[in-house]
Amino acid sequence: EVQLVESGGGLVQPGGSLRLSCAASGFTFSTYAMTWVRQAPGKGLEWVSAISGNGGRTDYADSVKGRFTISRDNSKNTLYLQMNSLRAEDTAIYYCAKVSRTTVTTGYIYFDYWGQGILVTVSS
Amino acid sequence: DIQMTQSPSSLSASVGDRVTITCRASQSISRFLNWYQQKPGKAPKLLIYVASSLQSGVPSRFSGSGSGTDFTLTISSLQPEDFATYYCQQSYSTPLTFGGGTKVEIK
Repeated sequence: EVQLVESGGGLVQPGGSLRLSCAASGFTFSTYAMTWVRQAPGKGLEWVSAISGNGGRTDYADSVKGRFTISRDNSKNTLYLQMNSLRAEDTAIYYCAKVSRTTVTTGYIYFDYWGQGILVTVSS
Repeated sequence: DIQMTQSPSSLSASVGDRVTITCRASQSISRFLNWYQQKPGKAPKLLIYVASSLQSGVPSRFSGSGSGTDFTLTISSLQPEDFATYYCQQSYSTPLTFGGGTKVEIK
């Protein structure tokens, strides 16, 4: 059974940093790209970032480019999101999700398994 | 960036109704369109991928169609457990964008 469990969320001041983790199990982690999607309170889904199975390619939404860094440790089956220079508008539930393929460079991709989400609140 | 526009943003329907949700892309995305269902307080769930392929375990009352810029999600006979918010998402190119969502409520 595929399981994705996020951790590391919480309250942080504007300008601060936070690192999210996503522990994966139930599939061959290194074979699949992984992604982060967020949802501000009462709002829709926003794609944040993705990383290929071997970690060699990363992609970001313009809203987080230069501030967030996605990475993975395939030996630990864990996905990360390092978030720096946080802003109030980064307040959201952050979901990690498994991608259907090893990279996001092909159109035949979708997010087939999701974690339960972790809340990040940026406020003074 | 490719913009995804869903309509309507919300609808009210009764159990047993046929429901259709539309998603339009700002440029052609071939068939690279996915649909997700989200219930309050829960993570999204994949329903349909590559426009019309039903994800394993999803009831056959859900179907998807379309190509190019115009896509639809149809629920043939609405069930109580289908009241939720539905999102389309394009996978043609990064950034991978979602539609604004369609909330399906009980009439």
